[in-house]
Amino acid sequence: GAVVSQHPSWVICKSGTSVKIECRSLDFQATTMFWYRQFPKQSLMLMATSNEGSKATYEQGVEKDKFLINHASLTLSTLTVTSAHPEDSSFYICSALGLAGGLSSYNEQFFGPGTRLTVL
Amino acid sequence: GENVEQHPSTLSVQEGDSAVIKCTYSDSASNYFPWYKQELGKRPQLIIDIRSNVGEKKDQRIAVTLNKTAKHFSLHITETQPEDSAVYFCAADSGYSTLTFGKGTMLLVSP
Repeated sequence: GAVVSQHPSWVICKSGTSVKIECRSLDFQATTMFWYRQFPKQSLMLMATSNEGSKATYEQGVEKDKFLINHASLTLSTLTVTSAHPEDSSFYICSALGLAGGLSSYNEQFFGPGTRLTVL
Repeated sequence: GENVEQHPSTLSVQEGDSAVIKCTYSDSASNYFPWYKQELGKRPQLIIDIRSNVGEKKDQRIAVTLNKTAKHFSLHITETQPEDSAVYFCAADSGYSTLTFGKGTMLLVSP
């Protein structure tokens, strides 16, 4: 259980175009999903917290008009990189908040496999 | 906000040796500390975690210790194997299940 998928796994696009990345929780409902960006050999940087049915909360320095997040259902959040530029090239990873396994009543973040974005 | 420092940035050990990675955090309200293993191009995988109501947790060759007073926690891997080679990230829950990650430690286990 607790599987999170992302689509696409990789994408190459031209500068100025927009790219949409999907994050799905396959076997559980997630009211909260997170979007991270990871540059090569660096850590995961939280971009925004996505809550189902409400506006996303963006971290300081992340442009909400450039990185559009929609969390329209309990199993799907999307990240759209608008007017992409080469500096947006990165590994984008989502996670979904769900109950940890077993008898735990605690939440745990389950990560998607990531999307490699390359902007030419 | 929360700040997590992680050391060392790289760690090379011989197979069979132990490896220790240390992290410090700044927000005394943080109460959940997971450790992730990430292989190149893959998703982070949770390997062990600890909550602030315990001081140590062990799972086979992996253990984590937490010192709330000093605000630091450590990952211990014993009897390392080449397949343990990866980047390891510590994290702290800053509240509302939001994680702040350390910068990562590249562990290389040589046969």
